[in-house]
Amino acid sequence: DTAVSQTPKYLVTQMGNDKSIKCEQNLGHDTMYWYKQDSKKFLKIMFSYNNKELIINETVPNRFSPKSPDKAHLNLHINSLELGDSAVYFCASSQALSGGGEDTQYFGPGTRLTVL
Amino acid sequence: RKEVEQDPGPFNVPEGATVAFNCTYSNSASQSFFWYRQDCRKEPKLLMSVYSSGNEDGRFTAQLNRASQYISLLIRDSKLSDSATYLCAVVTTDSWGKLQFGAGTQVVVTP
Repeated sequence: DTAVSQTPKYLVTQMGNDKSIKCEQNLGHDTMYWYKQDSKKFLKIMFSYNNKELIINETVPNRFSPKSPDKAHLNLHINSLELGDSAVYFCASSQALSGGGEDTQYFGPGTRLTVL
Repeated sequence: RKEVEQDPGPFNVPEGATVAFNCTYSNSASQSFFWYRQDCRKEPKLLMSVYSSGNEDGRFTAQLNRASQYISLLIRDSKLSDSATYLCAVVTTDSWGKLQFGAGTQVVVTP
């Protein structure tokens, strides 16, 4: 009964490849997020979706394309992977857009991406 | 200047002692504040929200100082299991729920 799950947990791939990371939440939340945590442990938001609608799109290269087929899923596709994309990618979800009353964000276990 | 700043530590704390550390934020429009705990190679987990009047959850006490734009976390009677990185996070108005995280403060509780 995992609340927020991500697959795969580890991803090792060559530069130039295209890869996808999947995220699912069974909390019934309306909002989902993608974060990137780099080697310096700095956690930075990339995207957020509310009811399948893109809300936040930080200055992320357009090689990164999120897709939300439904409220419970938010996937991240990355084209033409680069060395600098190596990081841990966390998915998260919250009932509402954070800042309101029901705004606790719950994180998935992370996907550790290594680009060789 | 980063929007959310924390002392990276590590804070080395003897078991049973008290440790406290702060997190400063630069945007005066910040409206919601949180402390997350992150263990090594794990995901961040919400420790507590921080309310204007300050709040306590067991051995953990969080305070908000809007005038000086910082939040604090105090851990009393430290346990070995409190060893972790503590991330503060801030949401500003009109940011559509964007959590701005600090880089974290590492706490190491020693026997």
